[in-house]
Amino acid sequence: AQSVTQLGSHVSVSEGALVLLRCNYSSSVPPYLFWYVQYPNQGLQLLLKYTSAATLVKGINGFEAEFKKSETSFHLTKPSAHMSDAAEYFCAVSFSGGYNKLIFGAGTRLAVHS
Amino acid sequence: GAGVSQSPSNKVTEKGKDVELRCDPISGHTALYWYRQSLGQGLEFLIYFQGNSAPDKSGLPSDRFSAERTGGSVSTLTIQRTQQEDSAVYLCASSLREPSSYEQYFGPGTRLTVT
Repeated sequence: AQSVTQLGSHVSVSEGALVLLRCNYSSSVPPYLFWYVQYPNQGLQLLLKYTSAATLVKGINGFEAEFKKSETSFHLTKPSAHMSDAAEYFCAVSFSGGYNKLIFGAGTRLAVHS
Repeated sequence: GAGVSQSPSNKVTEKGKDVELRCDPISGHTALYWYRQSLGQGLEFLIYFQGNSAPDKSGLPSDRFSAERTGGSVSTLTIQRTQQEDSAVYLCASSLREPSSYEQYFGPGTRLTVT
């Protein structure tokens, strides 16, 4: 069975500081991995995705994530936080043969303070 | 271009009533998904459509929940005899098709409150 664990339901950083949101997955087959962002009262927007090409994936708004098979991780990072990054972030997994349905982690709410 | 749209944006209903939630996917997207986002359960998959057929209904929580899709486009999620635990945000997403590398585009959701 596939599952996703996001460590830390709330993360708070200072503006300009490194953002690190953690995601670990469990999958019996090669996974596809995604990070989505949700701003208040809005739907989900894709930040980036890993689909078995390059292990370091660059996304929108300066975010990137690295797929580490040995650690079953797909952590999201951004070198310098901006106030506009405050939102909820979801890590998700899907897999070939699974109709592409997404299995989500519980989410991490990122707060950015000045 | 137009994204995924959902209606209504908010729905308040009394316990025991039936509700219908609508999703208009992006034109040309053959795959359509319904998810539910609730405080207790997080984001959960409900049902997947490829065209008008639903090969994966495994996430529907009970037989009170049903969905259909017509013309390979609009989808309706119906909840019969609503219960308070049905209160959640119902999200619809569409994508071009499998395989799994294709991005899912999400609508803004319908917030359902059962009183």
